[in-house]
Amino acid sequence: DAKTTQPPSMDCAEGRAANLPCNHSTISGNEYVYWYRQIHSQGPQYIIHGLKNNETNEMASLIITEDRKSSTLILPHATLRDTAVYYCIVRVRNTNAGKSTFGDGTTLTVKP
Amino acid sequence: GAVVSQHPSWVICKSGTSVKIECRSLDFQATTMFWYRQFPKQSLMLMATSNEGSKATYEQGVEKDKFLINHASLTLSTLTVTSAHPEDSSFYICSAFFVRGGEKLFFGSGTQLSVL
Repeated sequence: DAKTTQPPSMDCAEGRAANLPCNHSTISGNEYVYWYRQIHSQGPQYIIHGLKNNETNEMASLIITEDRKSSTLILPHATLRDTAVYYCIVRVRNTNAGKSTFGDGTTLTVKP
Repeated sequence: GAVVSQHPSWVICKSGTSVKIECRSLDFQATTMFWYRQFPKQSLMLMATSNEGSKATYEQGVEKDKFLINHASLTLSTLTVTSAHPEDSSFYICSAFFVRGGEKLFFGSGTQLSVL
């Protein structure tokens, strides 16, 4: 699976959009981008995933650049409860039955 | 989303005893589950892949005799930490592989193990 690079930490004001970047410059054509987050002392939570098109669900939006070498997770209106570690993972689907390697992620702190 | 239940949430045990942690997929069947451990302020480290009806696959450096994994049904995987020692104290997390809708992982809430 392709390696990802994320900034170690970011701050965001409550109510503002949080934009979390992820670099995956060695991504292959059949690798998807997945985002998870982990609130302190809890298990991670699935957020969103995509291949090349931008995706949106009730939690967030995922913007993938045209060359697919990077992506941005957008939380449109961050709340204090969005404070968590956000993990960007790249993996091929239909192989290894979901085995995923978690990097260090980005610690997002939403401030009042 | 799908629900994965992990039990217990926390456990304290004496050195030398064994501890069993359960991971259940409540509303879907999971042929594959994963076990991770996490130390404070660190990322998740994959320990093993649990496959229903077959032997687990362990990551390099993980002692299979130390961390026994059983996946006897499509909804239950267990991790037994045998002869636990203080260095086994950690946060253990399971996840279940959910195929529909994009091959997502759903995680349990984690188990904090403290070995005295």
